[in-house]
Amino acid sequence: QQQVKQSPQSLIVQKGGIPIINCAYENTAFDYFPWYQQFPGKGPALLIAIRPDVSEKKEGRFTISFNKSAKQFSLHIMDSQPGDSATYFCAANSGAGSYQLTFGKGTKLSVIP
Amino acid sequence: DAGITQSPRHKVTETGTPVTLRCHQTENHRYMYWYRQDPGHGLRLIHYSYGVKDTDKGEVSDGYSVSRSKTEDFLLTLESATSSQTSVYFCAISPGQETQYFGPGTRLLVL
Repeated sequence: QQQVKQSPQSLIVQKGGIPIINCAYENTAFDYFPWYQQFPGKGPALLIAIRPDVSEKKEGRFTISFNKSAKQFSLHIMDSQPGDSATYFCAANSGAGSYQLTFGKGTKLSVIP
Repeated sequence: DAGITQSPRHKVTETGTPVTLRCHQTENHRYMYWYRQDPGHGLRLIHYSYGVKDTDKGEVSDGYSVSRSKTEDFLLTLESATSSQTSVYFCAISPGQETQYFGPGTRLLVL
């Protein structure tokens, strides 16, 4: 079964720190890797996404690093703020006309002042 | 929430009763999805639709059925609710690209 393994399950950082969330996958057919951010009581919202042809993508304080050979990708949050406290999900899509996403189990991030 | 509404937002029901959740979109997107979210499991796909009357099963489809008679509406039905179906249910839509936009969710408690 297609899987995306996400770690850690939870993460606590000080304000200004750089939390890193990691994901690994096995299916080499995956060709689209989004990250979603979810606040309590809300639906997940797309944060940033990357394709395997690039090794890094930045949007504001959020960066995805992608290692195709290791089949791993990670989310870095620069200068983290208490407002970044949320649950983060990585996901992958297998392309070839399939628009289904396979999600990791999530990381609960707490940024303390 | 990208023109997506879910109803009801909260529901309490008893084991064995039928339950229908509704997802309504105003974006005219072709693809619609139903997920369930449970602690420790992330988001798991129940069913999805790639057009009116075109649906298919996802990872955890047992005990669920869906229908889509109009582009804007995607219904999820629990024919006979069980306690294991207590969860938060999310609808998502997509224009046919990989990006999915999620609704606000429905909290379902089956007693």
